[in-house]
Amino acid sequence: AQSVTQLGSHVSVSEGALVLLRCNYSSSVPPYLFWYVQYPNQGLQLLLKYTTGATLVKGINGFEAEFKKSETSFHLTKPSAHMSDAAEYFCAVTKAGNNRKLIWGLGTSLAVNP
Amino acid sequence: NAGVTQTPKFQVLKTGQSMTLQCAQDMNHEYMSWYRQDPGMGLRLIHYSVGAGITDQGEVPNGYNVSRSTTEDFPLRLLSAAPSQTSVYFCASIGGGLGDTQYFGPGTRLTVL
Repeated sequence: AQSVTQLGSHVSVSEGALVLLRCNYSSSVPPYLFWYVQYPNQGLQLLLKYTTGATLVKGINGFEAEFKKSETSFHLTKPSAHMSDAAEYFCAVTKAGNNRKLIWGLGTSLAVNP
Repeated sequence: NAGVTQTPKFQVLKTGQSMTLQCAQDMNHEYMSWYRQDPGMGLRLIHYSVGAGITDQGEVPNGYNVSRSTTEDFPLRLLSAAPSQTSVYFCASIGGGLGDTQYFGPGTRLTVL
């Protein structure tokens, strides 16, 4: 069965430090890949996605992610963390055979320390 | 565009009560979903709809009903609320293209006593 694994349910970084949130997936076919962000007491919003083409994808707020098929990974990075980046981040992949159904990771809570 | 709207924002129910969570979208999307979000369990799909008049079950459908009479609206009904249904509920709509974005509503925080 398909699955998405986000390594680390909680990640803490200092303001200005590199942000790295890890996502690995298992899928029998190349999926579409997504990162969503959820700020406190809000719904989820799309940060970035990979469908086809260039494997390095840039999103909003300075985030980017690279699709590595050989490693079945889609890690999210940001060179310099800002206090406003504190949020819950979810990785998701499309379900094989149904590109509108998503398989979700359990989320990573990012804390940014001053 | 308002996007996806949900009402109410908060609700407290007693065990056995029924209620309907409302969801509406103004993006003319065919595909809509209901999720519940619980700590440590991520998002779980309750029901979804691929268009007006067509609904199907997700991974946790028990205790919930849905209907889709219009493209815009996708209400979620709790038939007889149980404490296990205490959760945050999100409605989402999706465009028709490959790998399209899911647009989420702000959520309804439900507590069942």
